[in-house]
Amino acid sequence: GAVVSQHPSWVICKSGTSVKIECRSLDFQATTMFWYRQFPKQSLMLMATSNEGSKATYEQGVEKDKFLINHASLTLSTLTVTSAHPEDSSFYICSATLLVTGELFFGEGSRLTVL
Amino acid sequence: QKEVEQNSGPLSVPEGAIASLNCTYSDRGSQSFFWYRQYSGKSPELIMSIYSNGDKEDGRFTAQLNKASQYVSLLIRDSQPSDSATYLCAVNKEGNFNKFYFGSGTKLNVKP
Repeated sequence: GAVVSQHPSWVICKSGTSVKIECRSLDFQATTMFWYRQFPKQSLMLMATSNEGSKATYEQGVEKDKFLINHASLTLSTLTVTSAHPEDSSFYICSATLLVTGELFFGEGSRLTVL
Repeated sequence: QKEVEQNSGPLSVPEGAIASLNCTYSDRGSQSFFWYRQYSGKSPELIMSIYSNGDKEDGRFTAQLNKASQYVSLLIRDSQPSDSATYLCAVNKEGNFNKFYFGSGTKLNVKP
């Protein structure tokens, strides 16, 4: 299957700081990437759809000014959590679609802990 | 009504048995169907995709699709303790690779 890589795998930061998470499609080009958040023992929640070269589309209830998404190339999307607070602590997962098959592949996820 | 419905479980099966995981979807326009496995604390991993009615086998896994009944299932033969995970069903509508609908997942426990 296709490979999607995320970095960092885990990050701890102080409240009020910003954290950037990178998502790369390693062996295919992805015009669209997706960012999910998952709290412990809960379902995946789609936060936003990242489109290469254009603005991201955010799901209802997700603050676009807090979760900044940049999709500057066909293989890289970044999510920046700005002014992070403890309630932002979660597991953030990116994914990308392999267009030839329509299959969605996930990155390894990034666990954010805000102190 | 949710787009994709799964029984949350847990589904407990003994080692060596067949585990049967089920999923229903609401939109008849759905064209692509996927099963993901998610271990605790990890991200989802694609294990099966199915696009046409019938069965698709891959090793110990068999995906079954019945579009008339809007039903997709995953059978795991010779279940192993390492199969213990949450299994997510996902669907995608025709021509729209930008929208995936996920079920909430079924937790499977395979007891040694």
